[in-house]
Amino acid sequence: NAGVMQNPRHLVRRRGQEARLRCSPMKGHSHVYWYRQLPEEGLKFMVYLQKENIIDESGMPKERFSAEFPKEGPSILRIQQVVRGDSAAYFCASSPLRSNNEQFFGPGTRLTVL
Amino acid sequence: TQLLEQSPQFLSIQEGENLTVYCNSSSVFSSLQWYRQEPGEGPVLLVTVVTGGEVKKLKRLTFQFGDARKDSSLHITAAQPGDTGLYLCAGLPISNFGNEKLTFGTGTRLTIIP
Repeated sequence: NAGVMQNPRHLVRRRGQEARLRCSPMKGHSHVYWYRQLPEEGLKFMVYLQKENIIDESGMPKERFSAEFPKEGPSILRIQQVVRGDSAAYFCASSPLRSNNEQFFGPGTRLTVL
Repeated sequence: TQLLEQSPQFLSIQEGENLTVYCNSSSVFSSLQWYRQEPGEGPVLLVTVVTGGEVKKLKRLTFQFGDARKDSSLHITAAQPGDTGLYLCAGLPISNFGNEKLTFGTGTRLTIIP
């Protein structure tokens, strides 16, 4: 059973460009979470999605960031007009429905904004 | 805002020694998870504790959840170089249905010296 997959693993963007990060949850998992880890800091929650629904986006910056989890295909975290402060590791986690809420993480996408 | 403080922040010990790391909060959690993260990778789930006072063992690792479900500890016996990594605790709040984001601790960076 494949784990959570994220791509790309590394992404370099210039200021003002768009970044698209993809996450495929584990098979059978219907819940997806995105977290951000800034250098030398802990993981911070960004958004929680189920298929076609955003459940909790309280950790998302108000501007430039958006997330979706369509009926078909991976979850996408989209950052428009990136700035240097967006440089971080972005992790996706997934969990099955009602299982002590154990979340399994992908390897992350490391975004570098030049 | 629920905060999880981990101590110590850094720990470097000789192979074969025992160690304990702590995860403390003033908030009550419905469950608490421990992860280990290696450089360039995502957090890997080690254990979930749910019941106050619960103790779980994973080979040389012993995890305990405080009676009041506000704190937890991780004890490693006879540490080995393979135990080196960043140890993260993460708490799940007493849940309003749908609010299942993890709050991560500040992390303990453990180095085992051969």
